[in-house]
Amino acid sequence: NAGVTQTPKFQVLKTGQSMTLQCAQDMNHEYMSWYRQDPGMGLRLIHYSVGAGITDQGEVPNGYNVSRSTTEDFPLRLLSAAPSQTSVYFCASSVQGAGANVLTFGAGSRLTVL
Amino acid sequence: KQEVTQIPAALSVPEGENLVLNCSFTDSAIYNLQWFRQDPGKGLTSLLLIQSSQREQTSGRLNASLDKSSGRSTLYIAASQPGDSATYLCAVGWEGSQGNLIFGKGTKLSVKP
Repeated sequence: NAGVTQTPKFQVLKTGQSMTLQCAQDMNHEYMSWYRQDPGMGLRLIHYSVGAGITDQGEVPNGYNVSRSTTEDFPLRLLSAAPSQTSVYFCASSVQGAGANVLTFGAGSRLTVL
Repeated sequence: KQEVTQIPAALSVPEGENLVLNCSFTDSAIYNLQWFRQDPGKGLTSLLLIQSSQREQTSGRLNASLDKSSGRSTLYIAASQPGDSATYLCAVGWEGSQGNLIFGKGTKLSVKP
């Protein structure tokens, strides 16, 4: 049982480049979300989805896009990378909303923007 | 604004000691509260989930309590071990939040042999 799988684990980008962080879960979870973790700031919600075809913004959505075409996958797209987006990104999922069920996290993707 | 606060930011104890980690939150209309553990360079692992109707949850040497009226939760770790060294995060889900959690900044625990 793989749980929540994130790729890549590490990535270095130059300012202005675009990229996609991949997230896949094999638990048939309806709810998926993306967080970023920064020193001194804690975990902040970027975007979330309560089911296939449904996405919404979290606390810090600017500069990021998401889509949810299948239950399993929830990719996070950086449109034009900026140094402020240097962070560790975590994908997480739960059966239904995280407020009702245990949230399962991926191992994280460390992104550096030069 | 809904906020979650964890104090202290860091804690160092000798092995074998019982310890308490604190979490406080604004607005008592919560749906549930979760405690997570994060090891350096790793993702978060769920430890305990307390529903708003519950007062406490236990798992092994861990016991989490919830007092909605005072906006507080504690995570009690009995007979601490060096392997308990990690950062512990508290996260709260509020009613009407569509299932999203707000996290505290964590308490970094170091258990010395």
